[in-house]
Amino acid sequence: DSGVTQTPKHLITATGQRVTLRCSPRSGDLSVYWYQQSLDQGLQFLIQYYNGEERAKGNILERFSAQQFPDLHSELNLSSLELGDSALYFCASSVDRISSEQYFGPGTRLTVT
Amino acid sequence: GQQLNQSPQSMFIQEGEDVSMNCTSSSIFNTWLWYKQDPGEGPVLLIALYKAGELTSNGRLTAQFGITRKDSFLNISASIPSDVGIYFCAGQLTSGTYKYIFGTGTRLKVLA
Repeated sequence: DSGVTQTPKHLITATGQRVTLRCSPRSGDLSVYWYQQSLDQGLQFLIQYYNGEERAKGNILERFSAQQFPDLHSELNLSSLELGDSALYFCASSVDRISSEQYFGPGTRLTVT
Repeated sequence: GQQLNQSPQSMFIQEGEDVSMNCTSSSIFNTWLWYKQDPGEGPVLLIALYKAGELTSNGRLTAQFGITRKDSFLNISASIPSDVGIYFCAGQLTSGTYKYIFGTGTRLKVLA
């Protein structure tokens, strides 16, 4: 158990809908990262938040957004969902801004039908 | 998106054999991380490397930070069935956002 929690574990929704994925970092970690992993693919970095502020952006679509709250938990919002958005979404956390080591949560499996 | 070249893509080995895999890039990295991922689970951090030339072990696993800072290697000795999974490397960029780039993964299957 990495100490990073993610909810829900599974999510099934229809095209055009909007969903919110939630992540709670390890105790003491200030940075949260979101990654997308499509079937049999590597991990694609989406976005990083550090202590409530956006720190870095990767290949995140405009339909996706994220935020980190004062209690350091983070939410990833995915809107106007398309079939191709079906994937595993992982949250990771690290102690600092420049992430020496990232610890991953169990992931949320999103299926868009 | 950016990814590291990780090889081999997959390998079948006999229980008890040693395993080697590597990641290479044209970019220079600050830090290398090695992860193992079981199906449907999150990646689990195995080893972190911080300096060029560094050699670090974690049980039967040994990883090295390449001297050029453009590559890294992971070795697993005396493999066992529970070593099955996908192994990912991740390199941290040396500038800008210092984000991590992940390798494409090595899928390991161990035959008992």
